[in-house]
Amino acid sequence: NAGVTQTPKFQVLKTGQSMTLQCAQDMNHEYMSWYRQDPGMGLRLIHYSVGAGITDQGEVPNGYNVSRSTTEDFPLRLLSAAPSQTSVYFCASSSTGRPNTGELFFGEGSRLTVL
Amino acid sequence: AQSVAQPEDQVNVAEGNPLTVKCTYSVSGNPYLFWYVQYPNRGLQFLLKYITGDNLVKGSYGFEAEFNKSQTSFHLKKPSALVSDSALYFCAVRGEYSGAGSYQLTFGKGTKLSVIP
Repeated sequence: NAGVTQTPKFQVLKTGQSMTLQCAQDMNHEYMSWYRQDPGMGLRLIHYSVGAGITDQGEVPNGYNVSRSTTEDFPLRLLSAAPSQTSVYFCASSSTGRPNTGELFFGEGSRLTVL
Repeated sequence: AQSVAQPEDQVNVAEGNPLTVKCTYSVSGNPYLFWYVQYPNRGLQFLLKYITGDNLVKGSYGFEAEFNKSQTSFHLKKPSALVSDSALYFCAVRGEYSGAGSYQLTFGKGTKLSVIP
């Protein structure tokens, strides 16, 4: 059972470059989300989705785009990378079935460095 | 808005001693509370959750957590620490379902637990 799969695991970008972090889950979860983890800041929500075609902003959405064309996939796009986006990114999913107890299932993370 | 505070950046404990990692929360309505653990260079793993019922919740790897509504706390505990428990621990909260945004978990900043042999 793969769970939540993120690619790539590591990436180095130059300022101004664009890239997409991929996230796929095989648990048929409707809810998917992206967090970034920075030292001393914990995890902060970037964007989330409650189903195909439905996305919304989290706490720190600036500089990131998302789309949700299928239940399984939730890519995160950096349009013009900045050094402030150097971070570890986590994709997480959960069921939205009722009753919903809400625990998130996390991928292994994507470490991004912007030079 | 919901929030979580983990007042200790680091907790050091000797192997075999009991450990406590503290968490307080703020949320509208009844809270759904979670503890996650992160080992180096890994994703977060679910440890335990409180939704309703008994205030003492038991989870994976011998961990438990005590929910205290009056103190809005959800401290993580283990009776006897192991060196392998050394990791980063996150407390998280969400409120009861009230729409699509309800599924969001708000995380604390994390507490690094070091168990000394």
